[in-house]
This record gives sequence, C-alpha cells and structure tokens, in this order.
Amino acid sequence: SQTIHQWPATLVQPVGSPLSLECTVEGTSNPNLYWYRQAAGRGLQLLFYSVGIGQISSEVPQNLSASRPQDRQFILSSKKLLLSDSGFYLCAWSVSHTGELFFGEGSRLTVL
Amino acid sequence: DAKTTQPPSMDCAEGRAANLPCNHSTISGNEYVYWYRQIHSQGPQYIIHGLKNNETNEMASLIITEDRKSSTLILPHATLRDTAVYYCIVREEGSGTYKYIFGTGTRLKVLA
Repeated sequence: SQTIHQWPATLVQPVGSPLSLECTVEGTSNPNLYWYRQAAGRGLQLLFYSVGIGQISSEVPQNLSASRPQDRQFILSSKKLLLSDSGFYLCAWSVSHTGELFFGEGSRLTVL
Repeated sequence: DAKTTQPPSMDCAEGRAANLPCNHSTISGNEYVYWYRQIHSQGPQYIIHGLKNNETNEMASLIITEDRKSSTLILPHATLRDTAVYYCIVREEGSGTYKYIFGTGTRLKVLA
C-alpha cells in the first residue's frame, strides 16, 4: 500500500535560519506531489506542486522554494526564515486517474 | 482563490444526519467536486468525490445538484468523532496536472 512520510514532525527555528522539510512517498510511482501550509486557525494554502523530477510549479510567491530531486521525494526549503513562515506544513500526493489526494502527518514549524 | 464557498460552522446532534452544503457556481463541465475533512492537528482525510451523479461510500453521501452549482455532503448518523473541519474542493487544472485549492471549510461540531 502507499504511504507518505514527512519529517521532521516538529521544528523550532530562529528567524533568519534555513529550513528543509522532506517528504517521501512509498508504494507508487510518478505521483503528483504537493506542499501546503496551514497558518494557525486558517485553511490550507497550496504552496507548490510537481508532476515529475525537477518540475516545480509555484502558487504563491514567497520566502520558500521546493525541489523534487527524485520521483518520490519532495523537499521544501528556505534560506532565511521569517516569523510569518510559522505554520503546519503538509505534503500530499495524488494519482491523476482517481484524483484522490493523500496527506502526510504534517510538520509543525515555529519561527521565533 | 478557491472556487467553493461553505458556511463557516455548523452544529449537529449525535446520531442525526449532518448535511454540509457547498456552493461552486463557477464549476465547469469536467471538474470534479471533492470533500475532505481535517481533525485537529492532522492531515486532511479524503471522504468522497463526484462529477454529476450522486455518490455514496461507507463514510458519506454526496448529492450534486443537476446544474452542478452546489453540492451537499451527508453524514447519515453523525458521531462525536465526526467533529472536524470539512472542505469542499473543486479540482482545477494546473501545469501538467490538477491542483486542489482549499477554501476555509465548515467547522462541524457534533453535540452529545
């Protein structure tokens, strides 16, 4: 069966420090991959999505970037974190023919 | 911006049916409607999706109006564990794949 892993689960970082969140999917090939952010008490905001290795689409210009170095690996990065980057980051994958979106357990980032 | 609008909150008595409405008046002919729910501090969970016909699975039923401008998610016998935020999403075409834009959702509270 397919599974999705995110890490770290919790992260506390100072303003100006770098960030790397990693997501991997198992049990499927060529998935569509997504990064979402959820600020406290808010809905989910789509940040990036990818249809294949090296292919990244950005939804909202901001202080973050994404990369897909391998078929089932999706990485969210920042060179210098801002206070406004705090939130709950969720990775998800989908297979086009069914359209269902499957989410990881999330990474909670606090920037101080 | 999301293509869907939902009431911000609803209450439902335990054991009764919960009917959650969603408006998607700008939906196009081949766009699916998806429903997800998010229990606090977890990733969203897929519930059901549909195009034009009503759908039912073990979790819920989805009723889509004939003009497809609105839909209703029905939880037939709500339990306390159904307390969550419910999101209605219209899948949109993106760069090479579909993207899922979440709105603010409906916070359902099931009352004992």
